[in-house]
This record gives sequence, structure tokens and C-alpha cells, in this order.
Amino acid sequence: EVQLLESGGGLVQPGGSLRLSCEASGFTFSYYAMSWVRQAPGRGLDWVSIICDNGGCTYYEDSVMGRFIISRDNSRNTLYLQMNSLRVEDTALYYCVKGVPVGKKTTHFDHWGQGALVTVSS
Amino acid sequence: VLTQSPGTLSLSPGERATLFCRTSQRASSPVAWYQHKPGQPPRLLIYGASTRAPGIPARFSGSGSGTDFTLTISSVEPEDFAVYYCQQRTDWPLWTFGQGTKVEIK
Repeated sequence: EVQLLESGGGLVQPGGSLRLSCEASGFTFSYYAMSWVRQAPGRGLDWVSIICDNGGCTYYEDSVMGRFIISRDNSRNTLYLQMNSLRVEDTALYYCVKGVPVGKKTTHFDHWGQGALVTVSS
Repeated sequence: VLTQSPGTLSLSPGERATLFCRTSQRASSPVAWYQHKPGQPPRLLIYGASTRAPGIPARFSGSGSGTDFTLTISSVEPEDFAVYYCQQRTDWPLWTFGQGTKVEIK
């Protein structure tokens, strides 16, 4: 059974930093791209970032580029999101999600964690 | 940009639900659909526009191509009341979600 367990969420002041972790199990972690998707209170789903299976490529949504860093440790089956210069509008539930390749491209996501809540407030 | 319609769909159990997703440009991949209930993570329903994910009941079906896609629930069950999102990968490697359609009990 695929399991994705996020941790590291919490309350942080604007301008602060936080690191989310996602421990994966039930599949061969190093075979799949992994991503973070967030949902702000009362809003829809927003894709944040993605990392290739071997960590050799990363992509970011425009509003987090330069502030967030996605990484992974395939020896520990763990995905990370380092969030710096946090803003009030980054407040959201952050989901760790497993990508599904179609050909050589990851087109959608088939498993989601329960989410880690990040609150940015003074 | 993915535009979903309607914003809210009010239905009684047993009725047919038709949800729409329009993309602003012809993208590199067809849409996926997710169901999201409060307090739970989203669940993949459909990928490749029309392929049901494992374990998804046959009452859920997807169709469409190019810029217009549809999710149909042939006969809505009580457990189907939720928010539904379409999602697509574009040529610039971005993964975009629609704003969601809420299917509520009439």
C-alpha cells in the first residue's frame, strides 16, 4: 500500500522558514517524480513544485520560485520542501503527491498524503 | 488556464452529473480528474481524459480531447457529493488545476 506521510508543518512568522518532509513507502520511490500541491483555506488546489525521479530536474510555480527548494533523498525514501521568505499567502495545507509518468512525462498524480498545515502569520 | 463549469451542481441522488473543463490552449497531455472531500486528500478518478484509475466505480467516466473535457457521473451516489478538479500538464512543465466544481445535495 502506498503511503505518503508529511511532517514539519506549523506556525511561522512572515519572512521565516520551514522545511516539510514526506516519508514514502509501499512503492519504489526512486522510480517516480514527486511533487507538492497546496490548498489555501477556502481555495482550490495549486501545484507548487516537482522533482524528477533522480532529483536531476526541478520545476516551480512562479510565486514560489526563488523562495522554495524541492529536494529528495532516495536512500531515505523522503521528499523535502524548504520554504524560505514565507508570506501570509503561503498559508495552506501542503500535500505530498506521487507523479505518474505517461511515456517520459509526468502527467498526473495518483497518490496523495494527508497534508501538512503551514500557517504564516504574525 | 483550466476553466471548470458549473461552479456548483445541485443534484439529487440517482441523477446524472456532467462537469466540464476547458483549457485555454491545446496542451501536451489530456486532463485528469480528482475528487476531493473535506478532511481527506484528493483522489484520482480519471487520467488520460477517459481512463478510470484503479478502484474507481464504473459510474464515473471521462471524455473529450483538444481543449474540452467532460467528467460524467451516470447516477450520483450519496458518497459522490464533493468537489471535483480537472488537472493538466502544459508544454512548459507546469501542472495546472481548474478552480473546481462542487457537487452538492439538492
